[in-house]
Amino acid sequence: AQRVTQPEKLLSVFKGAPVELKCNYSYSGSPELFWYVQYSRQRLQLLLRHISRESIKGFTADLNKGETSFHLKKPFAQEEDSAMYYCALSGWRSGGYQKVTFGTGTKLQVIP
Amino acid sequence: DAGVTQSPTHLIKTRGQQVTLRCSPKSGHDTVSWYQQALGQGPQFIFQYYEEEERQRGNFPDRFSGHQFPNYSSELNVNALLLGDSALYLCASSLALAGASYEQYFGPGTRLTVT
Repeated sequence: AQRVTQPEKLLSVFKGAPVELKCNYSYSGSPELFWYVQYSRQRLQLLLRHISRESIKGFTADLNKGETSFHLKKPFAQEEDSAMYYCALSGWRSGGYQKVTFGTGTKLQVIP
Repeated sequence: DAGVTQSPTHLIKTRGQQVTLRCSPKSGHDTVSWYQQALGQGPQFIFQYYEEEERQRGNFPDRFSGHQFPNYSSELNVNALLLGDSALYLCASSLALAGASYEQYFGPGTRLTVT
């Protein structure tokens, strides 16, 4: 079974402070991990994926297979970062088809 | 490109009724996935369609069924509605050839309320 855990429902930080949104996963194979973001009144959209090893809007996430974690980090929070963040895992199934599991989400609130 | 579109935006149904939700994928995409998002929860995978067939299914009863058309658009049908089916239903499209690292593009969702 595949599972994604986001332990914090709400994370409040001051503008300019570092941000770390936690994500832990459970999967027996080699997963693909993603972070999706949903800004107020907008649709869910991809923020970044671990395979790309990219930094988007100042956010980075490193896959730690030993700790089965994929935490999202940003050194200096901005007000526009306030949003709902979902960690997601894509696992291969028999026949080569994917199943995506989402965490319950963490609401990031950046205080001016 | 309008991206992923869903209809209707909102829907109110009574227990026991049946409902059909519709989704048009992003241009060029061939795979459609459906999710149920209850209030305060993350999206829960219902099923995925590719080449007009259901490829993967989550832990949802047979009351939930779907269809994909030759133009890749898709429908989600729910029979014998229960109060617990009230949720936001999301459609996401992707490209099968992208593999496991594919990016899903989400629609705005259909808000279903069962009374």
